[in-house]
Amino acid sequence: EPEVTQTPSHQVTQMGQEVILRCVPISNHLYFYWYRQILGQKVEFLVSFYNNEISEKSEIFDDQFSVERPDGSNFTLKIRSTKLEDSAMYFCASSELGLAYNEQFFGPGTRLTVL
Amino acid sequence: GDSVTQMEGPVTLSEEAFLTINCTYTATGYPSLFWYVQYPGEGLQLLLKATKADDKGSNKGFEATYRKETTSFHLEKGSVQVSDSAVYFCAHRGDDKIIFGKGTRLHILP
Repeated sequence: EPEVTQTPSHQVTQMGQEVILRCVPISNHLYFYWYRQILGQKVEFLVSFYNNEISEKSEIFDDQFSVERPDGSNFTLKIRSTKLEDSAMYFCASSELGLAYNEQFFGPGTRLTVL
Repeated sequence: GDSVTQMEGPVTLSEEAFLTINCTYTATGYPSLFWYVQYPGEGLQLLLKATKADDKGSNKGFEATYRKETTSFHLEKGSVQVSDSAVYFCAHRGDDKIIFGKGTRLHILP
């Protein structure tokens, strides 16, 4: 069964450093998403991406964040200068279509720890 | 704005007990409703969904009915197992993004 994959599973970085979180969505999916979950809190939407551009972004997704689909398979989230409060689990998701009833398939997540 | 409210956890039950996790939502329009489950150390998995009023989603013995009149989507299971121990997230999707509740941690004791 096709699945969304994410690398690395755990990333430790120093405050102020840049990190890139990588995702490989399901191959025939057209819509891509990033969510994050701060430890013990709810999952929050960050950004959605379709046709090589951002469709929607939340207040969390400020200028420090960017997303890219550099080739036909990867979808990346970059944080330019990490802060302590960026420590969280980051989930990538993809869906075939952008309709409300379409399932978004989630990856296993990358745990980001900022020291 | 759009939101999802679900009962606080943790919820601790004995094996074979009846489970209810309450969930209510506020949304514009007619969102699709979901329950996601997160097992320890794993990502989010879709447990069940309902896309319109009075639809019942079901999977692995879990059920939830889309109640438009009460804006609710309560999760139920008649007889829980130890393997059901996880965090359960109620969610809705009206457009592009999914809005999640805070999650309810469920502990099932053997």
